[in-house]
Amino acid sequence: EVQLLESGGGLVQPGGSLRLSCAASGFTFSAYAMSWVRQAPGKGLEWLSFISGSGGRTNYTDSVKGRFTISRDNSKNTLYLQMNSLRAEDSAVYFCAKGAPRVPFDYWGQGTLVTVSS
Amino acid sequence: DIVMTQSPDSLAVSLGERATINCKSSQSVLYSSNNKNYLAWYQQRPGQPPKLLIYWASIRESGVPDRFSGSGSGTDFTLTISTLQAEDVAVYYCQEYYTTRPTFGQGTKVEIK
Repeated sequence: EVQLLESGGGLVQPGGSLRLSCAASGFTFSAYAMSWVRQAPGKGLEWLSFISGSGGRTNYTDSVKGRFTISRDNSKNTLYLQMNSLRAEDSAVYFCAKGAPRVPFDYWGQGTLVTVSS
Repeated sequence: DIVMTQSPDSLAVSLGERATINCKSSQSVLYSSNNKNYLAWYQQRPGQPPKLLIYWASIRESGVPDRFSGSGSGTDFTLTISTLQAEDVAVYYCQEYYTTRPTFGQGTKVEIK
């Protein structure tokens, strides 16, 4: 059974940093691209970033480019999102999802809540 | 980036009746080399993560009830719930995965009338 479990969310001040993790199990992690998607309270879904299975290829949406960095450790079956220079508008539930551009997101984690506030 | 626009934003349907959600993309998501539409539909129940329902515009994900169907091609797509059940109350999103920066529609909230 495929499982994705996010962690690392919490309350952070504007300008601060946070690193999210997503522990994957139930599939050959290194064979699949992974993505981060977020959902602000009461709002829709916003794709943020993807990383290829090897980690050699990444892409970002404009709103986080230069502030967020996606990475993965295939030896630990874990996906990461390093978030720097956080803003109030980054407050959201952050989901990791199996999938990437050119394929749909067939599995999602339960999400982790990030709140950016002073 | 491709803009995905859903209509309506919300709809209320009686149990057992049909629900229809439309999705329009700002450019075609039909890839000519394989004749596939890079369009997916997701269901998000309250307090839950999204769940993949339909991909390639019309292929049901394993385990999805056959009352859910997808249709359309190019820029215009439809998700139909043939006979609405109580457990179908959710927000539904279309998504293009044609580009390297996939985008979602704004969502359509389905409620019971």
